[in-house]
Amino acid sequence: LAKTTQPISMDSYEGQEVNITCSHNNIATNDYITWYQQFPSQGPRFIIQGYKTKVTNEVASLFIPADRKSSTLSLPRVSLSDTAVYYCLVVVNNAGNMLTFGGGTRLMVKP
Amino acid sequence: GAVVSQHPSRVICKSGTSVKIECRSLDFQATTMFWYRQFPKQSLMLMATSNEGSKATYEQGVEKDKFLINHASLTLSTLTVTSAHPEDSSFYICSAWVGRGGRGYTFGSGTRLTVV
Repeated sequence: LAKTTQPISMDSYEGQEVNITCSHNNIATNDYITWYQQFPSQGPRFIIQGYKTKVTNEVASLFIPADRKSSTLSLPRVSLSDTAVYYCLVVVNNAGNMLTFGGGTRLMVKP
Repeated sequence: GAVVSQHPSRVICKSGTSVKIECRSLDFQATTMFWYRQFPKQSLMLMATSNEGSKATYEQGVEKDKFLINHASLTLSTLTVTSAHPEDSSFYICSAWVGRGGRGYTFGSGTRLTVV
């Protein structure tokens, strides 16, 4: 299983763009990368998923370089409500196998 | 769409009693359900994988006789914590694979179990 490594914590200010990078050196050919957000005492919530290059949705962008050994979650213009833990995960074969959670990145957005 | 409803959200029980946590997939069929446990300030740890109509698969170190999992239908999986002790106090979360449509997995809202 591809292990993920991401910064333990990050601080930002309201209105700034936040980029959280995750490394997954052992990612396999058919694996996808997915990011989840978790608030205290809640289950994780899906943010975005991708395979390569760039994916964008209404809340975030995901950048994946050609070697796919890392990925960057970009949150545009964060607000206080974006304070949460963000998890980078590898979806093995993009199938319904178990997810292995790493430590996540605790993002603190300050006013 | 693709919602997993988890109940109860919060439960306090006495040491030695049992507690059942339910997870229902509301608008899709969940052949497989994953159960996680999360201690304060820590990440999610997979406890077991439940498959509809068959026995659950437990992760190493998780006592299958203590954490009973039943997945009797495609829309319901339950986790029963038997003979609960204070060290079982934790946040329990279920999850199901939605499919390859880009939404991957959906998670329940979690159950905060406190054993006193």
